[in-house]
Amino acid sequence: DIQMTQSPSSLSAPVGDRVTITCRASQSISNYLNWYQQKPGKAPKLLIFAASSLQSGVPSRFSGSGSGTDFTLTISSLQPEDFATYYCQQSYSTPPTFGGGTKVEIK
Amino acid sequence: EVQLVQSGAEVKKPGESLKISCKGSGYSFTSYWIGWVRQMPGKGLEWMGIIYPGDSDTRYSPSFQGQVTISADKSISTAYLQWSSLKASDTAMYYCARRGIMVRGDRNGFDIWGQGTMVTVS
Repeated sequence: DIQMTQSPSSLSAPVGDRVTITCRASQSISNYLNWYQQKPGKAPKLLIFAASSLQSGVPSRFSGSGSGTDFTLTISSLQPEDFATYYCQQSYSTPPTFGGGTKVEIK
Repeated sequence: EVQLVQSGAEVKKPGESLKISCKGSGYSFTSYWIGWVRQMPGKGLEWMGIIYPGDSDTRYSPSFQGQVTISADKSISTAYLQWSSLKASDTAMYYCARRGIMVRGDRNGFDIWGQGTMVTVS
């Protein structure tokens, strides 16, 4: 299985800050990388697919980049509703493994 | 509205069997793969397996192969996840999710998620 490693595992930031989360794959996955947001008690929500494509309805302050093994999710200006846990997922090979998650908290 | 609606929370004893469901609506159920994802309490997401309701082609993660069975009834637009003998370690939230077709091929993420079914084995 391809291992997905996210960093940091948690972060604390104030509203308005620029936040970057990284995800590293144990082997090249081209651009088959998805990002999800999960709020407490809720199902995950797809934010970014194919490393950098914004899912319909997702605010433009979210962006993704990367290819091969290294990827990033950036929130350009953190909003109160963005406090959540974020997961990356590779969809290059079966099983499509998830990263361990990054919890974004209010500072 | 495109949605997946899952069956309600379950409380079971070790050794019991269980089948939970996921009903799709608002789209062509037979044209999209449906996957199952486990989330143990306070933990991350684990991909369990996936089924194509159109022909019931099913794939499992090696970690879950033989531990669960995924099935679907396309006549009622419903996918299922079942256990023949539950263990305490099966206690978790289980999500079904639709694999999107945002990019060509089968390397898409999950674009629609069910609300989750909490399974407690105790």
